[in-house]
Amino acid sequence: SFDLTQPPSTSVSPGQTARITCSGDNLGEKYVCWYQQKPGQSPVLVIYEDRKRPSGIPERFSGSNSGNTATLTIGGTQAMDEADYYCQAWDSNAAVFGGGTKLSVL
Amino acid sequence: QVQLVESGGGLVKPGGSLRLSCAASGFIFSDYYMSWIRQAPGKGLEWVSYITINGRSIHYADSVKGRFTISRDNARNSFYLQMNSLRAEDSAVYYCARHLGPGGDLPFDYWGQGTLVTVSS
Repeated sequence: SFDLTQPPSTSVSPGQTARITCSGDNLGEKYVCWYQQKPGQSPVLVIYEDRKRPSGIPERFSGSNSGNTATLTIGGTQAMDEADYYCQAWDSNAAVFGGGTKLSVL
Repeated sequence: QVQLVESGGGLVKPGGSLRLSCAASGFIFSDYYMSWIRQAPGKGLEWVSYITINGRSIHYADSVKGRFTISRDNARNSFYLQMNSLRAEDSAVYYCARHLGPGGDLPFDYWGQGTLVTVSS
């Protein structure tokens, strides 16, 4: 089965750049999207098709995908960005999510 | 604006059944693929199933295949998840979500607030 691997947690200082990785076999050949989930809330799509931002998502969110790794980058991280982040791709008509990364803004 | 509202969650005994509903509004429901996604308490997201525009093509996660059935009623702007032979490991918040368009391999651009299913004796 196709699996996506994310680090369980990462931390960043306010104003710095946060990077969250997502790894999978030949992931660069698939489109990857990213969801942000804050405690008690539903997930929100922040990046799709590797690097596109939905309407209303701040420009500080960006994405890339190459080889076996996709990366979500948050530039100038703010306290409001503290959340769980999930990567997701499709494989054989099934959506696959990474295990999620808890981003702490310290 | 786009709204997805789930209902039907609750407490059910192992082996029991439950039917979840998702009512959609604010968009042309019949133009979009729809999915169910679940999240066990304190855990990550797990996709469950998706249904195409006309319901003719349906896909399930291996963990629910043969036990869960997804369906939709475009006239009622709603879709459903019939869950049978429920197990403790099916306990989760169940979200309904809209695909970005009429395609299976598209991201989920809108999510409902979720409905909690607890399977316990």
